[in-house]
Amino acid sequence: GENVEQHPSTLSVQEGDSAVIKCTYSDSASNYFPWYKQELGKGPQLIIDIRSNVGEKKDQRIAVTLNKTAKHFSLHITETQPEDSAVYFCAASNYGGGSNYKLTFGKGTLLTVNP
Amino acid sequence: EAQVTQNPRYLITVTGKKLTVTCSQNMNHEYMSWYRQDPGLGLRQIYYSMNVEVTDKGDVPEGYKVSRKEKRNFPLILESPSPNQTSLYFCASSLRGRGEQYFGPGTRLTVT
Repeated sequence: GENVEQHPSTLSVQEGDSAVIKCTYSDSASNYFPWYKQELGKGPQLIIDIRSNVGEKKDQRIAVTLNKTAKHFSLHITETQPEDSAVYFCAASNYGGGSNYKLTFGKGTLLTVNP
Repeated sequence: EAQVTQNPRYLITVTGKKLTVTCSQNMNHEYMSWYRQDPGLGLRQIYYSMNVEVTDKGDVPEGYKVSRKEKRNFPLILESPSPNQTSLYFCASSLRGRGEQYFGPGTRLTVT
């Protein structure tokens, strides 16, 4: 089955700096890579996703890149703000490829943005 | 408001006492799933359902049951809870054929 590795497990940055979180996946059939943000006491919330036919996607201060050959994808947050502090999860899925749209998650990154 | 709701949000129970955690979505999604979240392990899938009356096991199904009698509801049943089922549980739903999964607020379960 799919295995997703996520690094780092914790990341502390100063407000205004950039933050980068990296993930690798093992199953070359995976074709959908979402990123979720989980704030304290809440469920994961989708912040951006990328599909395997795209190399990069941006949404304001957030961007995701995908390297299918190397099987890795990254989340980039620019101009970080204290409200960006949360746990971030990457995930991989082979949606449409079978009967289960299961998301295989990385173990999460605790991002702290210091004012 | 489009959402996934779970109840209860917090539950403390004793070993062996049957319990049900409810999950409901108002987005007419075909796909629903349960995950558990444990420190250092991330989120792992317990069961999923592609549509009404269609359910199947995820990665960690032991000790759990589910049912899908209506499209909007997907309850998680623990027939005889044990302490190793102490965890944070999330229900999620998705429109079939789309990747985005929407998560509920979570249910924190403690089994003593």
